[in-house]
Amino acid sequence: EPEVTQTPSHQVTQMGQEVILRCVPISNHLYFYWYRQILGQKVEFLVSFYNNEISEKSEIFDDQFSVERPDGSNFTLKIRSTKLEDSAMYFCASTGGDRGFLGEQYFGPGTRLTVT
Amino acid sequence: DAKTTQPPSMDCAEGRAANLPCNHSTISGNEYVYWYRQIHSQGPQYIIHGLKNNETNEMASLIITEDRKSSTLILPHATLRDTAVYYCIVRPHLKIIFGKGTRLHILP
Repeated sequence: EPEVTQTPSHQVTQMGQEVILRCVPISNHLYFYWYRQILGQKVEFLVSFYNNEISEKSEIFDDQFSVERPDGSNFTLKIRSTKLEDSAMYFCASTGGDRGFLGEQYFGPGTRLTVT
Repeated sequence: DAKTTQPPSMDCAEGRAANLPCNHSTISGNEYVYWYRQIHSQGPQYIIHGLKNNETNEMASLIITEDRKSSTLILPHATLRDTAVYYCIVRPHLKIIFGKGTRLHILP
């Protein structure tokens, strides 16, 4: 069964450093998302991406964040200058195109980002 | 915030049906009801969705009331692996807005 994959599973970085979190969505999917979950809190929407551009973003997704689909398979989230409060689990998700954006989202296993 | 209300926690005996309620009294005509679950710290997992009619798949059944103001997710034979947080989501948009969900404990 196709699945969303994410690398690395755990990333430790120092405050102020740049990190890139990588995702490989399901191959024929058209809509891509990033969510995050701070330990013990709710899953929060960050950004959605369709047709090579951002469709929607939350207030969390400020200028320190960016997303890219550099090739036909990868979808990345970059944090330019990490802060302690960026420590969280980051989930990538994707949706097929047959039901448009209302299709069910398939989530990856997540990358745990720890900023020290 | 999510436009749904769920009990914070529920218990269910292993092998019995787990019935998870959700209120969505302000749902609009074009809004679907989705259910996801999150097992421990894993990525959320899609379970089922519906608009008006009851739905069933290999994981669960979804019962939506005629006025669409509430719904119930039914796991027909709960196992220990069904222990998770279950999210009821009303969704007209690209993004999913997760609430706090219901923490379901399956008791051996």
